[in-house]
Amino acid sequence: EPEVTQTPSHQVTQMGQEVILRCVPISNHLYFYWYRQILGQKVEFLVSFYNNEISEKSEIFDDQFSVERPDGSNFTLKIRSTKLEDSAMYFCASSSGLLNYEQYFGPGTRLTVT
Amino acid sequence: RKEVEQDPGPFNVPEGATVAFNCTYSNSASQSFFWYRQDCRKEPKLLMSVYSSGNEDGRFTAQLNRASQYISLLIRDSKLSDSATYLCVRGGSYIPTFGRGTSLIVHP
Repeated sequence: EPEVTQTPSHQVTQMGQEVILRCVPISNHLYFYWYRQILGQKVEFLVSFYNNEISEKSEIFDDQFSVERPDGSNFTLKIRSTKLEDSAMYFCASSSGLLNYEQYFGPGTRLTVT
Repeated sequence: RKEVEQDPGPFNVPEGATVAFNCTYSNSASQSFFWYRQDCRKEPKLLMSVYSSGNEDGRFTAQLNRASQYISLLIRDSKLSDSATYLCVRGGSYIPTFGRGTSLIVHP
């Protein structure tokens, strides 16, 4: 069964450093998403991506964040200058049909900013 | 009123019980809803979509009540493996919004 994959599973970084989180969505899916979940809190939408551009983004997705689909398979989330409050689980998801419909999530990257 | 609201629980039920969760939403124009389950420290997994006509998949039934602005999930014949957090999600034309989840514990 096709699945979304993410690397690394755990990333530890120092405050102010740049991090890139990587995702490989399901191959025939067209819509891609990033979410974050701070420990003990709800899943929060960051950004959706379709046809090589951002479709929607939340207030959380400020200038420190960027997304890219550098090739036909990878989908990345970059945080330019990490802050302590960026520590969270980051999930990538993809969907095949319409935007914001049935989404399939990757296992997540746990980001720890020290 | 929060956009998507759920009773956090936990709902503590014996194996074989029937349990139901509700999720209320604030925007009457909301179009699409989904139920996901999330195990501890794992990713959300799609359980089922919620249609106006209702949706049934084995032991699971989802309903949408647009007049009262809530969706429901019914689980029949609960199994130990149903223990998880159940997330209500609003999508469609709106930025995906997750509820905080309802915790279900099924005990022997």
